[in-house]
Amino acid sequence: AQSVTQPDIHITVSEGASLELRCNYSYGATPYLFWYVQSPGQGLQLLLKYFSGDTLVQGIKGFEAEFKRSQSSFNLRKPSVHWSDAAEYFCAVGPRSNDYKLSFGAGTTVTVRA
Amino acid sequence: GAGVSQSPSNKVTEKGKDVELRCDPISGHTALYWYRQSLGQGLEFLIYFQGNSAPDKSGLPSDRFSAERTGGSVSTLTIQRTQQEDSAVYLCASSLGVGGRAETQYFGPGTRLLVL
Repeated sequence: AQSVTQPDIHITVSEGASLELRCNYSYGATPYLFWYVQSPGQGLQLLLKYFSGDTLVQGIKGFEAEFKRSQSSFNLRKPSVHWSDAAEYFCAVGPRSNDYKLSFGAGTTVTVRA
Repeated sequence: GAGVSQSPSNKVTEKGKDVELRCDPISGHTALYWYRQSLGQGLEFLIYFQGNSAPDKSGLPSDRFSAERTGGSVSTLTIQRTQQEDSAVYLCASSLGVGGRAETQYFGPGTRLLVL
């Protein structure tokens, strides 16, 4: 069965500092990986996705993520955080060939301090 | 273009009442998904539609939950005899549904359900 682990429940970062959110997955085949962001009271917005090819993926809002098969990881990074990046971030894996659902991690809440 | 829309945005109901949640997918998207987001359970898959049929209902938590989709567009999630543990945010997503795994799901803003 596919599963996703986000080890950090909550991260606090200063505005302008770098941010890295961890994601580890368990999957029986080549994974399809996603990062979504959810601002308070909002739905999920896709930041970026990895399907194949270049393991460093660029997304919106200055985010990037790197797929590392050897570590079963897909960590999200941003070089310089803005106050508007305060939100909850979800890593997701899937879908499998006959299974279209996404499996989500528990999420990481990011707080940005001035 | 318009994204996925959901209504109502908030719903407060009394235990034992039935509720209906509506989802309008992105125009042209044939695949539609319902997820539930609750404290302690995170984001859980409920059901998936391809067109009007639901090949995967594996995530529906009980027979009090049902969903339908008509005209390959709008979907309704119905919860009968609501319980307090049904309180959650219900998220709808849609994707092109043209086949293959490499599809992005686009999410609506959710319906926040509170059962008193």
